[in-house]
Amino acid sequence: GENVEQHPSTLSVQEGDSAVIKCTYSDSASNYFPWYKQELGKGPQLIIDIRSNVGEKKDQRIAVTLNKTAKHFSLHITETQPEDSAVYFCAARPSTNAGKSTFGDGTTLTVKP
Amino acid sequence: GAVVSQHPSRVICKSGTSVKIECRSLDFQATTMFWYRQFPKKSLMLMATSNEGSKATYEQGVEKDKFLINHASLTLSTLTVTSAHPEDSSFYICSASPAGRDNQPQHFGDGTRLSIL
Repeated sequence: GENVEQHPSTLSVQEGDSAVIKCTYSDSASNYFPWYKQELGKGPQLIIDIRSNVGEKKDQRIAVTLNKTAKHFSLHITETQPEDSAVYFCAARPSTNAGKSTFGDGTTLTVKP
Repeated sequence: GAVVSQHPSRVICKSGTSVKIECRSLDFQATTMFWYRQFPKKSLMLMATSNEGSKATYEQGVEKDKFLINHASLTLSTLTVTSAHPEDSSFYICSASPAGRDNQPQHFGDGTRLSIL
């Protein structure tokens, strides 16, 4: 089955700095890669996703890159703000919606004011 | 955007009680919903895949008689924790993707914090 590894497990940055979280996956059948932000006591919220036919996607301060050959993808947050502090999860999934997502172990991001 | 509603948000009950958690897709239909369990500071652990109109598919190690899943309509799946015990205390989260097209995002409910005394 799929195996997703996520690094780092914790990340602390100064407000305004950039944050990068990296994930690797093992199953070449995976072709949908979402990123979720989870705040304390809440469910994960989708913040950005990328599909295997695209190498990079950007949405304001958030960007995701995908290297399908190397089987890794990364989340980039620029100009970080204290409200970006949360746990971030990457995931990998086959294209079918019924396919199971495999999640990384999460990264706790702390943005210091 | 797509919304998944999960109720209740928090349950505290005595050992031996059965607890039902509802997961609804509010503005889309979902033939498949997923149920997860999350321990503190851990990732999401898939428990089962809920299939509309058919039996749920359980992950290895998850007791299907303990965690009953019913997906009676295209917008509602329920998880019943039967005869709950303190070790069943956890954060349970459901998710759903819109039916009909592939590569659709998975939307999560806000979870249910279950505490068994």
